Amino acid sequence: TQLLEQSPQFLSIQEGENLTVYCNSSSVFSSLQWYRQEPGEGPVLLVTVVTGGEVKKLKRLTFQFGDARKDSSLHITAAQPGDTGLYLCAGSTSGTYKYIFGTGTRLKVLA
Amino acid sequence: EAQVTQNPRYLITVTGKKLTVTCSQNMNHEYMSWYRQDPGLGLRQIYYSMNVEVTDKGDVPEGYKVSRKEKRNFPLILESPSPNQTSLYFCASSLYLGGSTDTQYFGPGTRLTVL
Repeated sequence: TQLLEQSPQFLSIQEGENLTVYCNSSSVFSSLQWYRQEPGEGPVLLVTVVTGGEVKKLKRLTFQFGDARKDSSLHITAAQPGDTGLYLCAGSTSGTYKYIFGTGTRLKVLA
Repeated sequence: EAQVTQNPRYLITVTGKKLTVTCSQNMNHEYMSWYRQDPGLGLRQIYYSMNVEVTDKGDVPEGYKVSRKEKRNFPLILESPSPNQTSLYFCASSLYLGGSTDTQYFGPGTRLTVL
């Protein structure tokens, strides 16, 4: 069974701090996605990365796909309370139509 | 408004009483999927469908059934629910076949409790 391990599981930081969330696997993925989920809602896609080593930026969020396409990271610069939520990574392997989701990182940014 | 809808949003039932959770999308998406979300386990895929009459198992299909008779609907059926199926369920859809760069759009979730 493919697994995507996320770390840390929980993170509580002050507004303005930087943070990095990691998503690791022993499997190779053809693409990897990051979602954010707010309480009472479904996950919402933030970004998709497909090329090993790829870096994408979304305002204060920077996403990186590992060179071997087995891992990914999400870096938030100058976190704000609006960044609070559950962050999920999800991978898909070539030739399948399945998605594997990570265990999630619950982020709380204090004002 | 483009959306994925699920009903009911909340359901409390008893062991063994058959139930159906409906899912509908109005975006003409080909790919639809069901997930369950449990604390510490993230989302786990139950079943997915690539098109009408084409479905396949995800990672945790035991105890669930699905059907895709129309493109817009993808109901999840629990023939004989058990307490270990107590969970938060999400339906999702995407335009093309999943597994690449498609955006999955998620419904608002159905919180199921099986007593």
